Amino acid sequence: SSEVTQDPAVSVALGQTVRITCQGDSLRSIYASWYQQKPGQAPVLVIYDKNNRPSGIPDRFSGSSSGNTASLTITGAQAEDEADYYCCSRDSSGNHHYVFGTGTKVTVL
Amino acid sequence: EVQLVESGGGLVQPGGSLRLSCAASGLTVNSNYMSWVRQAPGKGLEWVSVIYGGGRTYYADSVKGRFTISRHNSNNTLYLQMNSLRPEDTAVYYCTRVWLIRGWEWFDPWGQGTLVTVSS
Repeated sequence: SSEVTQDPAVSVALGQTVRITCQGDSLRSIYASWYQQKPGQAPVLVIYDKNNRPSGIPDRFSGSSSGNTASLTITGAQAEDEADYYCCSRDSSGNHHYVFGTGTKVTVL
Repeated sequence: EVQLVESGGGLVQPGGSLRLSCAASGLTVNSNYMSWVRQAPGKGLEWVSVIYGGGRTYYADSVKGRFTISRHNSNNTLYLQMNSLRPEDTAVYYCTRVWLIRGWEWFDPWGQGTLVTVSS
């Protein structure tokens, strides 16, 4: 099955912009969704269908895609954005499986 | 508002069995795609299984042949029957709804999770 990789950790100064990337062959043909997870909590959807935000998700979160890379950008990061972020896509091999990225820990300084 | 509430986790010995439940409100389990995702302690998210609206089921290679996903219409509940459990199955198990629109898919919402610990 496909693999999707993310940088383990990134840091961003308060109010600055950070981009989290996700790489994998499945992402050439399938849009990723993105999930935020804070310690001890369940994941929360933040981006779906390439660049759509669920109700309640701030517009500082945006998504994009190019080639085999999907990106989540936080423009003007806030302290409450400190969390783990995971991308996810359907496995492109046609086996009806899903694959999560390895996760990125975002620290807001 | 859609709510998913998992239950049934606990401590089980290697080789044992456990059945997880996910009680849904605000959506009909029988007519939605539903999935289980797990997270081992300190690790990332791992997709486990999905059941489509028509009843087709799919499993991650790591659990295929040991886990069975099902649903019960009368009580609007999703299940995960886990047999031949291994220590590496230790994780928090989440249930989630799978959205499929225009060919794209995503998971929302998620339950709060239930912890399964496989240990002697």
